[in-house]
Amino acid sequence: GQQLNQSPQSMFIQEGEDVSMNCTSSSIFNTWLWYKQDPGEGPVLLIALYKAGELTSNGRLTAQFGITRKDSFLNISASIPSDVGIYFCAGLRGKLIFGQGTELSVKP
Amino acid sequence: EPEVTQTPSHQVTQMGQEVILRCVPISNHLYFYWYRQILGQKVEFLVSFYNNEISEKSEIFDDQFSVERPDGSNFTLKIRSTKLEDSAMYFCASRSFGSNAEQYFGPGTRLTVT
Repeated sequence: GQQLNQSPQSMFIQEGEDVSMNCTSSSIFNTWLWYKQDPGEGPVLLIALYKAGELTSNGRLTAQFGITRKDSFLNISASIPSDVGIYFCAGLRGKLIFGQGTELSVKP
Repeated sequence: EPEVTQTPSHQVTQMGQEVILRCVPISNHLYFYWYRQILGQKVEFLVSFYNNEISEKSEIFDDQFSVERPDGSNFTLKIRSTKLEDSAMYFCASRSFGSNAEQYFGPGTRLTVT
C-alpha cells in the first residue's frame, strides 16, 4: 500500500529550540497536510499545502510542499512546552494517508 | 466553532460482540470518514462515505464492518463480531464539498475488546 516515511520518530529538545521533521513518499501527492495529536485526542490540522514549492506559515510553524510533490517538511521555531505531542504528516488522495508520526518532547 | 463529536469516548466489549460507534459530523459537511489508530501506531483509513454510499474502503474494512447514516446528523460504524485486534482508537472525520476541503477529526472512541 501507499506509505509515507516520516522522520525522525521522536525528538527530545530544550524549550526555545527549533525543530524540523520531514515526510517522504514514493508517489506524488497533490496535497500535503500536517496534523498534531495530543494524548487521547483526535488529530488537529496545523497546516495544509496545496501547491508544489509552497511555503506556508501558521504562527511559529512553517511547512513546505516539496517541488517533486513527494516530500514535505515542518519546522517549529522557538519551541514551548505545549508543543509536546505527536506530529503526523498526511498526503491526500481522496482519503488521508498518514505518516508514522514524530513524537516531540520539550524540556522546560 | 463547529466540531465533530463522537460517542462513546470509551467502549469495552467482549470478543464476538457487536459494537456501534457513533459520530455527529459538522452539520454542513458532505463527506464522512472513519479512521483507526492502534495504540502507538499511525492513523489508518477505513472508509469514506458520500451521498449515502461508501466511496472507498481499505483492506481493513472487511465484511465485519459497516457504516450507516441513519438520519441527517449521525454517522455510525458497526463492527458485527469484534476481535481482539479491533482494539484501537476510532476517529470519525468530515469535510465539506471541494476536493481540497480539510477533514476535521472527532476526539475518537477508544474501543477495547477483551
